[in-house]
Amino acid sequence: EIVLTQSPGTLSLSPGERATLSCRASQSVSSSNLAWYQQKPGQAPSLLIFGASNRATGIPDRFSGSGSGTDFTLNINRVEPEDFAVYYCQQYGGSPPVTFGQGTRLEIK
Amino acid sequence: QVQLQEAGPGLVKPSQTLSLTCTVSDGSISSGGYYWTWIRHHPGKGLEWIGYMSYNGRASYNPSLKSRVSISVDTSKNHFSLNLSSVTAADTAVYYCARVNGWGASDSWGQGTLVTVSS
Repeated sequence: EIVLTQSPGTLSLSPGERATLSCRASQSVSSSNLAWYQQKPGQAPSLLIFGASNRATGIPDRFSGSGSGTDFTLNINRVEPEDFAVYYCQQYGGSPPVTFGQGTRLEIK
Repeated sequence: QVQLQEAGPGLVKPSQTLSLTCTVSDGSISSGGYYWTWIRHHPGKGLEWIGYMSYNGRASYNPSLKSRVSISVDTSKNHFSLNLSSVTAADTAVYYCARVNGWGASDSWGQGTLVTVSS
């Protein structure tokens, strides 16, 4: 099973700062099949990044994804108040086909 | 923009079968290139993938649930369904349906429905 480990568990930042979220896989993941989601309280997750670095429709360019193999990163330049949420990475195509990381909570400092 | 909406009972008794339906609107479930998936979110925990199904019947399930889960697609009603048998309190969660694109990413989600397993 491909296990995705996200760090840190909680990230405390002030609006305007840069956020760097990590997702490490226990086995190599195809860059094509790594996604990031944002989930706010009481809401469904929403897709931010697919294919490791492609922004989904309507996602602001302050969000960027990078990485390959077993190490992937989500960066948020100049965090906005509406960005405080939980972020999940997800891989597709491994065994089992889909797994999620445990999430990183981005909170206001 | 495709819309998805979950429906089903919010309370299920232990040992019974949890059944949910996801209706797809503003898009066809028969559209090629997509899978249709169920994901759940246990209170205070992370996301758990349950399984997915293509419109033409190709399915894959989470091994931890495989013996209890089935997903089906009804193209005539433009909906897909989840059945999870022999439920316990550990199956209490918010259940989401979603559309999976060719990159393996869920690009459209339902709003989610809370299912509580309790007698």
